[in-house]
Amino acid sequence: GESVGLHLPTLSVQEGDNSIINCAYSNSASDYFIWYKQESGKGPQFIIDIRSNMDKRQGQRVTVLLNKTVKHLSLQIAATQPGDSAVYFCAEISGGGGNKLTFGTGTQLKVEL
Amino acid sequence: GAVVSQHPSWVICKSGTSVKIECRSLDFQATTMFWYRQFPKQSLMLMATSNEGSKATYEQGVEKDKFLINHASLTLSTLTVTSAHPEDSSFYICSELGENIQYFGAGTRLSVL
Repeated sequence: GESVGLHLPTLSVQEGDNSIINCAYSNSASDYFIWYKQESGKGPQFIIDIRSNMDKRQGQRVTVLLNKTVKHLSLQIAATQPGDSAVYFCAEISGGGGNKLTFGTGTQLKVEL
Repeated sequence: GAVVSQHPSWVICKSGTSVKIECRSLDFQATTMFWYRQFPKQSLMLMATSNEGSKATYEQGVEKDKFLINHASLTLSTLTVTSAHPEDSSFYICSELGENIQYFGAGTRLSVL
């Protein structure tokens, strides 16, 4: 079902450190996952995606890991920068759900100088 | 650059009036667009799926007579909040479906007095 968060969890990291943002999903039929970044007052921006037949995918400074056994997804950001401060959402699409995205609760990432 | 243009970015209206939000596809023809609603510190909640040339598909609990969706062309979908009330104040975001990825507009902040 859909996840609705009343309180956004917050992750605070020092500039230059690596960040790991976690997401648990509930639908074992989900076969496509996306991470979005949302800055304050803006719409979500696509960061990286991964299909269920993969367990790891790398982009520029970002890596997504998928563990289907425990239905867990993570986003790793290397050398975190102040511009990375935002809310990060994981989203899933199930094969039988058309192209509808189900968003996770979201995590607020704060980068401290 | 942006592939979806959403307008207006912020609107303030009196209770009982109607507000129209536009979502334009800039890069390609969007057969399918999505409308989301987001309350502060919460995740995105899908309201409806807008299909060009046909009726929108609304999610459970979303009043179709209150949130009118029109998708008359492949580049434009509109959401009209009819007889808006303070509880309709929220951040409304549209997205278009690209190749498996949804691209989001910048969002519209609606404040109903």
